[in-house]
Amino acid sequence: GENVEQHPSTLSVQEGDSAVIKCTYSDSASNYFPWYKQELGKRPQLIIDIRSNVGEKKDQRIAVTLNKTAKHFSLHITETQPEDSAVYFCAASSGNTPLVFGKGTRLSVIA
Amino acid sequence: SQTIHQWPATLVQPVGSPLSLECTVEGTSNPNLYWYRQAAGRGLQLLFYSVGIGQISSEVPQNLSASRPQDRQFILSSKKLLLSDSGFYLCAWSALASHSEQYFGPGTRLTVT
Repeated sequence: GENVEQHPSTLSVQEGDSAVIKCTYSDSASNYFPWYKQELGKRPQLIIDIRSNVGEKKDQRIAVTLNKTAKHFSLHITETQPEDSAVYFCAASSGNTPLVFGKGTRLSVIA
Repeated sequence: SQTIHQWPATLVQPVGSPLSLECTVEGTSNPNLYWYRQAAGRGLQLLFYSVGIGQISSEVPQNLSASRPQDRQFILSSKKLLLSDSGFYLCAWSALASHSEQYFGPGTRLTVT
């Protein structure tokens, strides 16, 4: 089955700097890669996703890149703000099986 | 638009007591439904998922069970709670066509004492 590894587990950046979180997956059949943001005590929220027919996707300050050959994908947050502080989860799925989540990255943006 | 509800929002139960958590989805038909558990400061553990009424797949063997009595209703149960059952229980849904684009409910925070 699918296995998703996420790094780093914790990340601290200065406000205004960029943050990058990386995930690798094992199943070459996976074709859908979402990212979730979970604030303390709240539900995970889908913030961006990418499918295997696309190499990069942007939405304002966040972007996701996908390298199918290397089986890894990354979340990039530019111009970080204190409200970006949260736990971020990556996930992967082939569409035929439920999402497999990484263990999460706790991002702290220091003002 | 689609909405997902969970109740109760918080629950404190003694060890050995039963449990029933309910999840309902509005604004969509034939969704895939999921139950996750999240221990404090930890990741998302998939417990059960369902692709249709009466169809339940269990991902982790434990003292919990799930049922789907109606198309948009998903119930998580236990006959006897353990201390290790404490956590944040999240229900989620996705469109039937695939397991992608999953949306989570507000969650139930369960403390077993």
